[in-house]
Amino acid sequence: GAGVSQSPSNKVTEKGKDVELRCDPISGHTALYWYRQRLGQGLEFLIYFQGNSAPDKSGLPSDRFSAERTGESVSTLTIQRTQQEDSAVYLCASSPQTGTGNTIYFGEGSWLTVV
Amino acid sequence: QKEVEQNSGPLSVPEGAIASLNCTYSDRGSQSFFWYRQYSGKSPELIMFIYSNGDKEDGRFTAQLNKASQYVSLLIRDSQPSDSATYLCAVNMRAGGTSYGKLTFGQGTILTVHP
Repeated sequence: GAGVSQSPSNKVTEKGKDVELRCDPISGHTALYWYRQRLGQGLEFLIYFQGNSAPDKSGLPSDRFSAERTGESVSTLTIQRTQQEDSAVYLCASSPQTGTGNTIYFGEGSWLTVV
Repeated sequence: QKEVEQNSGPLSVPEGAIASLNCTYSDRGSQSFFWYRQYSGKSPELIMFIYSNGDKEDGRFTAQLNKASQYVSLLIRDSQPSDSATYLCAVNMRAGGTSYGKLTFGQGTILTVHP
């Protein structure tokens, strides 16, 4: 597709379960971001992938959170042993990072509810 | 000091007025600056980007950048109720020798345009 695609769009899980969230960036975009946004709050940076460089994981809130990216394509954000405070929308974004074009484009998000 | 700071608002303006949204950033080496709009329950969408000092106009929107003061603003002329949203400032922070670092977002300013 033309835009950033995320799945699932909605996920309800029980506390303590693991969840995987998927992001398909725009084709050709070398940079990929994950953000978390709790209800009524701002964007919280989680992790940033840029090409073959080591990812910037400085925003991951705990070791329960991890993310991988295969080359310059799909990324998966994994949350282990989910807690209620993990309930949020998880936004993925990608960027071409070429020339002056480092504008990022967001997907529609994965809404996670931990019950 | 936060890397990117915005007044959280809410900022309330009457229809037809000029709305002025402000943002300051801490990294003097920042290269590019973005304004995103986020409607409730939706993902952020790009309004404008600016790279050079001065003003950049696009329709009813004007972005202003002053690198010496580390300040970027967004003016919305002839504000409409449909402009009511959260406005996010984003700054490309330096990343040690690479062309682009990750985008860092402010917490957003809530704008309400009342009829």
